[in-house]
Amino acid sequence: EPEVTQTPSHQVTQMGQEVILRCVPISNHLYFYWYRQILGQKVEFLVSFYNNEISEKSEIFDDQFSVERPDGSNFTLKIRSTKLEDSAMYFCASSSYPGDTFSYTFGSGTRLTVV
Amino acid sequence: TQLLEQSPQFLSIQEGENLTVYCNSSSVFSSLQWYRQEPGEGPVLLVTVVTGGEVKKLKRLTFQFGDARKDSSLHITAAQPGDTGLYLCAGVLPLDSGGGADGLTFGKGTHLIIQP
Repeated sequence: EPEVTQTPSHQVTQMGQEVILRCVPISNHLYFYWYRQILGQKVEFLVSFYNNEISEKSEIFDDQFSVERPDGSNFTLKIRSTKLEDSAMYFCASSSYPGDTFSYTFGSGTRLTVV
Repeated sequence: TQLLEQSPQFLSIQEGENLTVYCNSSSVFSSLQWYRQEPGEGPVLLVTVVTGGEVKKLKRLTFQFGDARKDSSLHITAAQPGDTGLYLCAGVLPLDSGGGADGLTFGKGTHLIIQP
């Protein structure tokens, strides 16, 4: 079964450092997403990406965040200067086309710990 | 303000019993999904419902979307220990309700424990 792959599974970083979280979406999917889940809280939408540009972003996705598709397979989330409150599970997801909620597939996540 | 309220928050029952968990909103959703999430893992999509009144079955799981597309339920028949997990509902708000293209809005989930 096709899957979304995320690396690393766990990242520990010092406050103020930059981190890059990586994702390999399902190969024939065209729409990519990042979500986060702070421990004990609900999953929150960060950003969607289609056709090499941001399609939609939430209020959480401020100037400290950026996304990129540097090549044909990877999709990355960069946090420029991490804060303690950025500690969370970050999930990448992909779907086959915009608005398709039937093929929505999440990765296993990256646990980011900011110390 | 919780756009999607899930109830109960926690549910612990014996193997073989039936159960229903709920996902309610005051907003209309263009589609609604149910996910199951294991600790330390990402949500796994169980079903998507799009039509008011729609009922979908997945083995012992029955999903229903309310007629007004504001609520949904998940019914499990003869629950088994393998059904233990966090069940999440998530939906896409229509653009004219302040929603985006397809960023999902999640509920907090129902923690389900099935005891052998």
